Amino acid sequence: EAGVAQSPRYKIIEKRQSVAFWCNPISGHATLYWYQQILGQGPKLLIQFQNNGVVDDSQLPKDRFSAERLKGVDSTLKIQPAKLEDSAVYLCASSLDGTTYEQYFGPGTRLTVT
Amino acid sequence: AQRVTQPEKLLSVFKGAPVELKCNYSYSGSPELFWYVQYSRQRLQLLLRHISRESIKGFTADLNKGETSFHLKKPFAQEEDSAMYYCALLIQGAQKLVFGQGTRLTINP
Repeated sequence: EAGVAQSPRYKIIEKRQSVAFWCNPISGHATLYWYQQILGQGPKLLIQFQNNGVVDDSQLPKDRFSAERLKGVDSTLKIQPAKLEDSAVYLCASSLDGTTYEQYFGPGTRLTVT
Repeated sequence: AQRVTQPEKLLSVFKGAPVELKCNYSYSGSPELFWYVQYSRQRLQLLLRHISRESIKGFTADLNKGETSFHLKKPFAQEEDSAMYYCALLIQGAQKLVFGQGTRLTINP
């Protein structure tokens, strides 16, 4: 089966600019996650969707980050405006039905904010 | 507070030697723990979870509630075990994972 797809793979922007990341989960997976992984740290959950509804966005900096999952399939994560501390790898993952441990990860998008 | 601690950022052992990657957790509920692995240029993937009590690629991990630990062990390390390893805790109810900061394991020939 095809894995989780993410684009772009790399992005370099200047602070105060905007950026958007795209994720296509495994077909049929109802649950989608966005993680932020800062260098030297483990992944940190930003937002979790069940179909097109938000389950958990408690760690999403809502003043600058937003995410949506229209039609319960693809998802986009946006940062506007970006700060230097947003430099990280953004990982998307999906799972079949919310059995959270069995998550399938995408390759990630490496964001550098200068 | 829920927390996962992996005290070693880097661990280096020789091929054929035993390896143990440490993981400690802090959680008030009933813990469910996992090990995820990321090989070079590959995606993060599930290695094993404690409730399945299985051995994957020769690795085992036992949950010790008294010591709040979930260490990953392998009796004889192989070069292909070199990777980044993350311990993760499932937060019940919220159904989300909290990851440790990871340990980079290097197996020397």
